[in-house]
Amino acid sequence: AQSVTQLGSHVSVSEGALVLLRCNYSSSVPPYLFWYVQYPNQGLQLLLKYTTGATLVKGINGFEAEFKKSETSFHLTKPSAHMSDAAEYFCAVSGPASKLTFGTGTRLQVTL
Amino acid sequence: EAGVAQSPRYKIIEKRQSVAFWCNPISGHATLYWYQQILGQGPKLLIQFQNNGVVDDSQLPKDRFSAERLKGVDSTLKIQPAKLEDSAVYLCASSYQGQGDSYEQYFGPGTRLTVT
Repeated sequence: AQSVTQLGSHVSVSEGALVLLRCNYSSSVPPYLFWYVQYPNQGLQLLLKYTTGATLVKGINGFEAEFKKSETSFHLTKPSAHMSDAAEYFCAVSGPASKLTFGTGTRLQVTL
Repeated sequence: EAGVAQSPRYKIIEKRQSVAFWCNPISGHATLYWYQQILGQGPKLLIQFQNNGVVDDSQLPKDRFSAERLKGVDSTLKIQPAKLEDSAVYLCASSYQGQGDSYEQYFGPGTRLTVT
């Protein structure tokens, strides 16, 4: 069984500031980990994923995440926030052959 | 390449009525998923198809929900009769395969259902 906990349902940052969205997972098998972004009235778009190999994963739009097995975490970061980053972000976990389980999401607000 | 197509984008019905949603996955994608996303929550998998066979429907409320993918391409999700708690966004996704590195899922824009 797998589960995801996203700490903070709302995060607000100033434009140009560091973005940090937290995700902790629980998995009984080696996890595959994903971050998706959802803009209003749109479907989910994959930002990045970790399956195997390098634990620091780079994604689109300047985002990256680091898989830390000892901390069961997969936090999403971006060095400098842009207004266009305002959206809902979902962390998800699966096994190699199992379904995606999503967290409850974090709404990112970017202020001037 | 064209993305995952869904229709309608919005639907408002009264409780106890029926409704159907349509999804056309990315060409060549064998695996198709239907998710329910209730406001303030993450998507929850309702059903997963591999070609035209059901892989996982453990969270599908089978007394009122049904889904089919007869020719292994497009799919229809039906609710009959609808309840107030069915108000949600219904997302369709597809992937080339159902596991491994080809597991990446591509999502459609969703259908927003409001049951009054």
